[in-house]
Amino acid sequence: KQEVTQIPAALSVPEGENLVLNCSFTDSAIYNLQWFRQDPGKGLTSLLLIQSSQREQTSGRLNASLDKSSGRSTLYIAASQPGDSATYLCAVNYGQNFVFGPGTRLSVLP
Amino acid sequence: NAGVTQTPKFRILKIGQSMTLQCAQDMNHNYMYWYRQDPGMGLKLIYYSVGAGITDKGEVPNGYNVSRSTTEDFPLRLELAAPSQTSVYFCASSYFGGGNTDTQYFGPGTRLTVL
Repeated sequence: KQEVTQIPAALSVPEGENLVLNCSFTDSAIYNLQWFRQDPGKGLTSLLLIQSSQREQTSGRLNASLDKSSGRSTLYIAASQPGDSATYLCAVNYGQNFVFGPGTRLSVLP
Repeated sequence: NAGVTQTPKFRILKIGQSMTLQCAQDMNHNYMYWYRQDPGMGLKLIYYSVGAGITDKGEVPNGYNVSRSTTEDFPLRLELAAPSQTSVYFCASSYFGGGNTDTQYFGPGTRLTVL
């Protein structure tokens, strides 16, 4: 069964810290992997997409890596800010099926 | 472009009632999806469509029905609502659907409570 897990479930850090969110998936036959941000009561916003042939993608203070062979991805957030507080979801694209992880709820304290 | 729109934003149903959640996209995407998100959980795929007239079941289709008569619209029908269907429902769309650069665009969600 295709499953996606995320660790930690929740994280609270002081402003300015660098942090890492983890995503693991059981089936490595992926098309791509995406990281989404979800604010309370809102929909999902795509942050980064890593193709199956890529190792990492960067956007501003965000860097996502992909190790397909081990079934892992990490989202690195540099110099965190209170505005980064949200839930971060990892989603694996298996073709017609996107499988989502449960998310990591991040709080960045001023 | 409005992107993906969903109506209503909130709804309270009584057990046994029926309703239709509306979803529309104006990006000419061929693929559309319905997900539900329960508290503290990821998104679970209910149904998806690869084009007008074509729909298929996802992971949790029981209690729901869909139709896709146009490229733009993908309504989700709940028949005989049950408390277990209390959730937040998200509609999404994508182009190509499953390519290695493909991404999904999400609507703002519909928060449904069944009492």
